[in-house]
Amino acid sequence: EDKVVQSPLSLVVHEGDTVTLNCSYEVTNFRSLLWYKQEKKAPTFLFMLTSSGIEKKSGRLSSILDKKELSSILNITATQTGDSAIYLCAYQGAQKLVFGQGTRLTINP
Amino acid sequence: GAGVSQSPSNKVTEKGKDVELRCDPISGHTALYWYRQRLGQGLEFLIYFQGNSAPDKSGLPSDRFSAERTGESVSTLTIQRTQQEDSAVYLCASSPRTAVREKLFFGSGTQLSVL
Repeated sequence: EDKVVQSPLSLVVHEGDTVTLNCSYEVTNFRSLLWYKQEKKAPTFLFMLTSSGIEKKSGRLSSILDKKELSSILNITATQTGDSAIYLCAYQGAQKLVFGQGTRLTINP
Repeated sequence: GAGVSQSPSNKVTEKGKDVELRCDPISGHTALYWYRQRLGQGLEFLIYFQGNSAPDKSGLPSDRFSAERTGESVSTLTIQRTQQEDSAVYLCASSPRTAVREKLFFGSGTQLSVL
């Protein structure tokens, strides 16, 4: 059965720290891997990764896919309190997105 | 519309009642998805539509759950004889199509509480 596993499930750090969130997957018919940020209810899109080893960056956030290891990481540098959210990883199979359980990130001032 | 719209934003109901949740996708998006998110959990796939047909209903938890879509527009998720375990946020998302490498745009969800 296809599945996505994220770790850690919860993380608390101080403002200014750097964090790395992990996502591993076991899937058939892999198309792409996506990261979303969920602050209240609606997840908002961060990155889509399709090729191994190519880093995607947006400001202090970056992500990379390792197809050999069937995993992806999301890095956030110089964290701010506004980065507090649930970060969701999902793989895109043939027709739908399958999500992991998310990492709840809390940034303390 | 500018984004995916869901209504109501909150719904409190008594156990055993039926509820209808509505989703208005982004105009022109042919693919529409329903997900459920229980407290502290990830997103659980329920059903998706391509146009008004539903090729994948595999995530619907029981026959109390049903969904329909009118053309490439509004979708309604109906839960009959609600149970307390149905309490969750129900999220709708749309995308231009169900082809590969398309990201989903999510609505703000309906928080359903079954007392």
